Amino acid sequence: AQTVTQSQPEMSVQEAETVTLSCTYDTSESDYYLFWYKQPPSRQMILVIRQEAYKQQNATENRFSVNFQKAAKSFSLKISDSQLGDAAMYFCAYKGPGNTPLVFGKGTRLSVIA
Amino acid sequence: DGGITQSPKYLFRKEGQNVTLSCEQNLNHDAMYWYRQDPGQGLRLIYYSQIVNDFQKGDIAEGYSVSREKKESFPLTVTSAQKNPTAFYLCASRSEIPYEQYFGPGTRLTVT
Repeated sequence: AQTVTQSQPEMSVQEAETVTLSCTYDTSESDYYLFWYKQPPSRQMILVIRQEAYKQQNATENRFSVNFQKAAKSFSLKISDSQLGDAAMYFCAYKGPGNTPLVFGKGTRLSVIA
Repeated sequence: DGGITQSPKYLFRKEGQNVTLSCEQNLNHDAMYWYRQDPGQGLRLIYYSQIVNDFQKGDIAEGYSVSREKKESFPLTVTSAQKNPTAFYLCASRSEIPYEQYFGPGTRLTVT
């Protein structure tokens, strides 16, 4: 079964600095999708960024970018110019082919220090 | 506005009572999901449905039941057989490729 591992239960970053959250996954598939979700204190899950495995180019959404290393099965999230509103739980997720459900990691709690 | 609604936001029940959590979406998604989240924990999949009148058990289906009579609706019933029902419940629906999953605001269930 596919697994998603987030090895950093907690991280902190100074406001305006850059932080990288780690995620590794295990799969034998070649076609899949990877996601980062943010869950702020409101507990609303928000999609941050998506990466298709067939794309070599790393996805970017404003201050959020990923480092996708397919051979290493690594999918890290970089947050640039961190803001207080970035404080949240961040979940990495894997979606295999077909109608399989998303597989989530256990999350990383990010604190932003003013 | 397209989205997913869950009601109510907070729900209180006495032990031994069944309770149904509502989830409605107007995104025209076929796939819908129910997750449970305990404090400081990740998401655990309870049930999911790929199409109307069909659904599959997730990792922690015991003590829960679902129905999918309409594309827009996927209610979850927490039965009295669920040993620890107090939790935060999230509903989601998923698009076709690129498989983006969207979540409702959640329902906090407290059973005493």
